[in-house]
Parts: sequence; C-alpha cells; structure tokens
Amino acid sequence: EIVLTQSPATLSLSPGERATLSCRASQSVSNYLAWYQQKPGQAPRLLIYDVSNRATGIPARFSGSASGTDFTLTISSLEPEDFAVYYCQQRYNWPLTFGGGTKVEIK
Amino acid sequence: EVQLVESGGGLVQPGGSLRLSCVASEFTFNSYSMNWVRQAPGKGLEWVSHIHSDSSLIYYADSVRGRFTISRDNAKNSLYLQMNSLRADDTAVYYCARRQITAGTMNGAFDIWGQGTMVTVSS
Repeated sequence: EIVLTQSPATLSLSPGERATLSCRASQSVSNYLAWYQQKPGQAPRLLIYDVSNRATGIPARFSGSASGTDFTLTISSLEPEDFAVYYCQQRYNWPLTFGGGTKVEIK
Repeated sequence: EVQLVESGGGLVQPGGSLRLSCVASEFTFNSYSMNWVRQAPGKGLEWVSHIHSDSSLIYYADSVRGRFTISRDNAKNSLYLQMNSLRADDTAVYYCARRQITAGTMNGAFDIWGQGTMVTVSS
C-alpha cells in the first residue's frame, strides 16, 4: 500500500498569505496525484488532478507541483473561503489512498 | 446539474447489514467508473471500493473485502454498496464519487462527490 504523508498537520495563516502544503509518497505514484479541499459538513471537492492540473472552476491561486515523490499544493494568496482541510490522494496503485490531511486555519 | 445523491444510511447493530444507494443525474452514468469513499467521525478519507463502468472490474479495500459488495444498475443510473457483518469501525459518512475521465484514462481523480450518508454501527 502506498502511504501518503501530509505536512504540516495544521497550518495557521492569515488571509492574503501564501500557503504551502506538502504530501510525500512512500513510493512512486508517477503523476497520478490529486488534491481535494473539504470544509466542515461538506463533501470533498477536487482541486488539482495529475499533480498540476486545476479542476473545472478552481481559481488560479491554487497550483500543484512535484519533485520525485514529494508533492506540493500552493495557495498563492489565501482567501477567507480557503480555510479548510486539504487531502492528497494517489490513483497509481490499488488500494487508492489518501493522505491524513492538512488543516489550514485562520491565524 | 451533475449530481450524486446517496441514501440508505442509518443506525445498525454490530453484525447487521445495510444497503447504500447512490443515484446519478445529468451525466452519462454508464460511461463512468464509480467508487465509494468513507470518512469516520473527525477522521480522514478512506477509499472503500471501485467498480468499472460496465462492472467488469471491481476492487475493495482490505478492511471491507469479503463483507461489502459494490454493484451498479446502469439502467437506473444507480450505484450500490451492500454492507454485511458491520462493525463499530465501519461507522462513517459514506460518499459515492465519480472517477474522472481524462486523456488516456477512465480512472482519474474523484471529480464529483455526493453529499454523503451516515452509517452508525452501535448496539
């Protein structure tokens, strides 16, 4: 099973600041990595697929990148609606797995 | 609007059974692979099961294999999860999710999610 380790667990930032979220895979997942945003009481929403492709309707302030088995989600300037939990997920191998999540909270 | 709506959750005793349903609308259901993903209270996301568009390929997480059965009825635009021998650690919100179709794959990321249905296993 491919383990995805997200860091930090919690990120305390102010609106307008840049957020950098990390996801490390225990082995290669090629470029088959996605990012999701989840707000309390809501279903997850797809943000980024295949490392760096924004899903439909996702603002340009969200971007994804990779270096080997290390993946990064960057939010260039936090908007009030961006405070949420973010999960990475791999589809390279069965079972599909998610990271443990990073909570982006208001400082 | 493209939509997935789950139903069938509820309170069940340990060892009991429950059948979840997910109805799709406003997209060509029979073209898409579908999955179930769950989330225990206060916890992260856990993938449960996958079914190909024509039911030809099915996968399960180890935690549910042998107890849960995924199925679909393309004529009814519906996805199902039959859950047997339920345990306390199956307590979660269960989401159905569509697998994205992109260049080169029918098994992309989860691009459409339902609102979820809560399953509570307790005596």
